[in-house]
Amino acid sequence: RKEVEQDPGPFNVPEGATVAFNCTYSNSASQSFFWYRQDCRKEPKLLMSVYSSGNEDGRFTAQLNRASQYISLLIRDSKLSDSATYLCVVKDLGGYQKVTFGIGTKLQVIP
Amino acid sequence: GAVVSQHPSRVICKSGTSVKIECRSLDFQATTMFWYRQFPKKSLMLMATSNEGSKATYEQGVEKDKFLINHASLTLSTLTVTSAHPEDSSFYICSARDRPASSYNEQFFGPGTRLTVL
Repeated sequence: RKEVEQDPGPFNVPEGATVAFNCTYSNSASQSFFWYRQDCRKEPKLLMSVYSSGNEDGRFTAQLNRASQYISLLIRDSKLSDSATYLCVVKDLGGYQKVTFGIGTKLQVIP
Repeated sequence: GAVVSQHPSRVICKSGTSVKIECRSLDFQATTMFWYRQFPKKSLMLMATSNEGSKATYEQGVEKDKFLINHASLTLSTLTVTSAHPEDSSFYICSARDRPASSYNEQFFGPGTRLTVL
């Protein structure tokens, strides 16, 4: 089983739609969780951290379910500029706090 | 925000040559830097963790004699791909974390280096 699993997609959605991505992780001791956004042939950029209580940033909502070991990202009112690959990132305990990336879920927002 | 630079952004080399990639944190001190590799349509794979002034910690399956990492200062880490072969062609990305380390400290990524080995 992969450490971090995501559906690679692509998810093709019309502008204005709501779309949700899930990500599961295998290490129950994982400490921190993030969603990164990566545009084609560019470096990843932090979208948002995921807190235990869930958190929202504008049109983006992230949730964490430790019991089921998954995190989710909800995007409301999709914009064309949201088209990108969304990477689920899990950080473990330990001195170096190893970070593991999921394969990413590709989102294409269609006019 | 914190800025991480990488140089070169793109390199094409012949098989058997060595290539050095630099990663710099421009406006902060990075006690820890990470080197990743990303193949097309694949996730970023951590290659090694580099700490200033000490030996890098390599992930399983990554040859430390092939991928030499030097973290000589708090703002510079280098990755040297020795005797590069076509299968080493990939997108290499570094990231750096400001200190002190905490659970939610963001990693700042460099723009990446696209290596093509002919």
